[in-house]
Amino acid sequence: AQKVTQAQTEISVVEKEDVTLDCVYETRDTTYYLFWYKQPPSGELVFLIRRNSFDEQNEISGRYSWNFQKSTSSFNFTITASQVVDSAVYFCALSEASDYKLSFGAGTTVTVRA
Amino acid sequence: EPEVTQTPSHQVTQMGQEVILRCVPISNHLYFYWYRQILGQKVEFLVSFYNNEISEKSEIFDDQFSVERPDGSNFTLKIRSTKLEDSAMYFCASRDPTYNEQFFGPGTRLTVL
Repeated sequence: AQKVTQAQTEISVVEKEDVTLDCVYETRDTTYYLFWYKQPPSGELVFLIRRNSFDEQNEISGRYSWNFQKSTSSFNFTITASQVVDSAVYFCALSEASDYKLSFGAGTTVTVRA
Repeated sequence: EPEVTQTPSHQVTQMGQEVILRCVPISNHLYFYWYRQILGQKVEFLVSFYNNEISEKSEIFDDQFSVERPDGSNFTLKIRSTKLEDSAMYFCASRDPTYNEQFFGPGTRLTVL
């Protein structure tokens, strides 16, 4: 069974602060993929990042970075120098190589105040 | 850049009516999905579709739901007799087999009165 937990329901920050979103997952598969999606108030799901289970290298892409640690089954996501346009709901998601369907966490609502 | 499209963007229907939600996946993708998001809740998997048949379905996807790829481009979700609890945003997605990334459409907001 898959399970994704996002313990933070809401985060509120002032512009230019960093925001770190936590995600913990459960899976019995050895090959799986982790994702972060952004859902702005307009409602669409915007793909942000993907990580494969066999690649724990952490990277930075613009203002986004992520910290993938298999030892703790965590896939945390950081927005550096947040902007008002970053205000959205952020979902962590997991898919296993056996079926590829996405299991989403409950989402974290991020509010960035000017 | 290719994208997944969905129509209509918003559908209002009366309880008990049939609705068909339409999606046009990205043309070279082979795997298609429907997800549902009840307002304020998480996104939930409904069904996956490959090679003209259902690959997997969730417990939400009961006999009231069906999916079809009637031609080479459209992928549809039909709800036979809508209930109030079917009110939700429905997302279609298609998967790139190379990178295993699912591309989502903008969603159809279904309101059942």
